[in-house]
Amino acid sequence: EPEVTQTPSHQVTQMGQEVILRCVPISNHLYFYWYRQILGQKVEFLVSFYNNEISEKSEIFDDQFSVERPDGSNFTLKIRSTKLEDSAMYFCASAGTGAYNEQFFGPGTRLTVL
Amino acid sequence: AQTVTQSQPEMSVQEAETVTLSCTYDTSESDYYLFWYKQPPSRQMILVIRQEAYKQQNATENRFSVNFQKAAKSFSLKISDSQLGDAAMYFCAYRSPGRGSNYKLTFGKGTLLTVNP
Repeated sequence: EPEVTQTPSHQVTQMGQEVILRCVPISNHLYFYWYRQILGQKVEFLVSFYNNEISEKSEIFDDQFSVERPDGSNFTLKIRSTKLEDSAMYFCASAGTGAYNEQFFGPGTRLTVL
Repeated sequence: AQTVTQSQPEMSVQEAETVTLSCTYDTSESDYYLFWYKQPPSRQMILVIRQEAYKQQNATENRFSVNFQKAAKSFSLKISDSQLGDAAMYFCAYRSPGRGSNYKLTFGKGTLLTVNP
């Protein structure tokens, strides 16, 4: 069964450093998402991406964040200058067409900012 | 903006018993989708069940069923014959019908379900 994969599973970085979180969505999917979950809190929407552009972003997704689909298979989330409060689990999701537009989630990347 | 509320931070159930997890939501839309996701300790979220708001019939997937009360804006999940593998965090999620290409999910805070042997 096809699945969404994410690398790395855990990333530790120093405050102020740039990080890139990688996702490989399900191959025939067209809609891509990033969500984050701060420990003990609910999952929050960051950004959605379709047809090679951002379709919506939340207030969390400020200028420090960017997304890219560089090669037609990977979907990346870049944080330019990490802050302590960026420490969280980051989930990638992808969805195909159809009424439900069901989103399939990856296993997540745990980002720890020191 | 839509909000999703899960009023039970934690629930526990005996193996083989039935448990119901509550979810309410607030929206001004008439058509939308509702989902329950399961997040086991491995952390990957898995879709458990889904419901379209315009369908009055409650969705069922094996041991999982929902009680969808549109007027009350309630969407509870019933797990029958609970198994140890059902232990997880359960998230209720709302999705608008979508404008253009966006179908973002709005999640509740989750309910941690413990299954006791």
